[in-house]
Amino acid sequence: AQSVAQPEDQVNVAEGNPLTVKCTYSVSGNPYLFWYVQYPNRGLQFLLKYITGDNLVKGSYGFEAEFNKSQTSFHLKKPSALVSDSALYFCAVREARNAGNMLTFGGGTRLMVKP
Amino acid sequence: GAGVSQSPSNKVTEKGKDVELRCDPISGHTALYWYRQSLGQGLEFLIYFQGNSAPDKSGLPSDRFSAERTGGSVSTLTIQRTQQEDSAVYLCASSLIGMGQGNSPLHFGNGTRLTVT
Repeated sequence: AQSVAQPEDQVNVAEGNPLTVKCTYSVSGNPYLFWYVQYPNRGLQFLLKYITGDNLVKGSYGFEAEFNKSQTSFHLKKPSALVSDSALYFCAVREARNAGNMLTFGGGTRLMVKP
Repeated sequence: GAGVSQSPSNKVTEKGKDVELRCDPISGHTALYWYRQSLGQGLEFLIYFQGNSAPDKSGLPSDRFSAERTGGSVSTLTIQRTQQEDSAVYLCASSLIGMGQGNSPLHFGNGTRLTVT
């Protein structure tokens, strides 16, 4: 079985400060990991993914995420937050060895960036 | 190119009525997912179609919920005898899945907002 945990329901950060949205996962083998963002009244948009290779993955809108196998984590980061980054963020995992396996999402973390 | 299209965008129905929600995935995508999202909450997996394989229905909350995918393309989610707790946004997503393509991301539609009065 595979699962994802996002331990924070909400993260508050001031504009210009660095942000981190936490994600930990559990799979039987190697993971494929994803981050999605949902802006108000919109569908989910793909941000970035980790498949293999470099542990630091860069994605859209200046976001990046670091894969840490020993800690089974894939935290989302951005060096300088913008008010426009305020949205709902979802982490997701799929077991790599089973290409047809479904994607499992975490419960989501609401990011609030204050001016 | 066209993305995932869902219709209707909004649906208001009376308790006890049946509703059908439609999803047109991206052409060529073999995997199709239905999720449910209550207001500002996380994603609740409902059902997953992958090619010609039997769908994974493990997330359907009750036998009032069913889904079909005809010809490996368009999917319809049907809710019979709707209840107020069925009110949510129903999201459809598709992805290109196959051997060596398990890392392809999901592409989501904008969802159907269902309100049961």
